[in-house]
Amino acid sequence: EVQLVESGGGLIQPGGSLRLSCAASGFTVSSNYMSWVRQTPGKGLEWVSIMYIGGSTFYADSVKGRFTISRDNSKNTLYLQMNSLRVEDTAVYYCARDLQEVAGLDLWGQGTLVTVSS
Amino acid sequence: QSVLTQPPSASGTPGQRVTISCSGSSSNIGSTFVYWYQHLPGTAPKLLIYRTDQRPPGVPDRFSGSKSGTSASLAISGLRSEDEADYYCATWDDSLSANWVFGGGTKVTVL
Repeated sequence: EVQLVESGGGLIQPGGSLRLSCAASGFTVSSNYMSWVRQTPGKGLEWVSIMYIGGSTFYADSVKGRFTISRDNSKNTLYLQMNSLRVEDTAVYYCARDLQEVAGLDLWGQGTLVTVSS
Repeated sequence: QSVLTQPPSASGTPGQRVTISCSGSSSNIGSTFVYWYQHLPGTAPKLLIYRTDQRPPGVPDRFSGSKSGTSASLAISGLRSEDEADYYCATWDDSLSANWVFGGGTKVTVL
């Protein structure tokens, strides 16, 4: 079955760090563009980061310098390392297969909740 | 404040046609494709429409997308109870560094 499963969310204090994982099955992460998208409480979706097939990475201005996207090809898993977390980073984080203009974000995980609070 | 503007809510009775608008600008909707996602809270968002008016396999033809200038629309015809969900439009914006920009979402209620 083709799917994405996120994990690693939880409650963390402001200034703390957390690493999210996104395990893929049914397709190869390293052969696809992969994005992280978050949904903040009561608000809509916000794109967070993308990793290209070749390894290039890009970030939303709101997380640049604090978040790092990476992947482990042997585990077919995408990661999001989140440092210097802020209250406003509280959200459900989704990973998604990103087919860009060809077909958009065509496959999403169920999300993992990150709560930043003291 | 989302880059793309959607009405916060829309509703209809079973069988009706509901249309959701998505307003942008020349640097986003006006210059590229639009994508639509359906999201039920607690579940994975689902791609409904890609490249403005294309449906992925398995998406009923009750769902259709269109664009005119800097605005796009998602139409749901023959509304069904299972269509009750949040709907988001998305595209790129040439003036921003974000890879994707989204609308604020529209909650569709089936009365």
